[in-house]
Amino acid sequence: QVQLQQSGPGLVKPSQTLSLTCTVSGGSISSGSYYWSWIRQPAGKRLEWIGRIYPSGSTNYNPSLKSRVTISADTSKNQLLLEVNSVTAADTAVYYCAREFRTIFEWGQGTQVTVSS
Amino acid sequence: EIVMTQSPATLSVSPGERVTLSCRASQSVSISLAWYQQKPGQAPRLLIYGASTRATDIPARFSGSGSGTDFTLTISSLQSEDFAVYYCQQYYDWPMYTFGQGAKLEIK
Repeated sequence: QVQLQQSGPGLVKPSQTLSLTCTVSGGSISSGSYYWSWIRQPAGKRLEWIGRIYPSGSTNYNPSLKSRVTISADTSKNQLLLEVNSVTAADTAVYYCAREFRTIFEWGQGTQVTVSS
Repeated sequence: EIVMTQSPATLSVSPGERVTLSCRASQSVSISLAWYQQKPGQAPRLLIYGASTRATDIPARFSGSGSGTDFTLTISSLQSEDFAVYYCQQYYDWPMYTFGQGAKLEIK
């Protein structure tokens, strides 16, 4: 069974870079038929897809965030990495990593990230 | 971007009742529609994909229907563990996904 365990700071200062890690167990991120996405949820708002990385290492991003987001993978550690730069209060949200193929089959536990000085 | 709109935003119901939640897409998504359940402090859980196919281990009281722009999630007899927020998601516009704003089921 695939499990996703997230880690990273819960507080980021405005204008700095938000960095989160998702460690995957029970399956390889660099092989198979599934893709790996990051999704966020501001308090009281709808879920927002941020972007994905394929087993090949190629990526897709939400156009609304593309200029500030980088998704990468460390295949030696079976980890997904999310970076969002130049953050503002609008980036405050619960961030999830997820395994998906059209629908989202497994989710990480979520990380509350607050942007505040 | 395909906009997903759910109704009602909140529904107060009693255990044992039948519940129908609606999701409307701003343009046709065929049957590329999924439903998720989210409880407080938890990640969402996949219930339905392909508009009507139950995910693994999802009880038969959950059913989905619809195609094109209008979809429904029905819970045939509400159990106490079903009080949660429900989201629809379209994946027709893949690689881009969009979600509805959520519908909260609360105890009457």
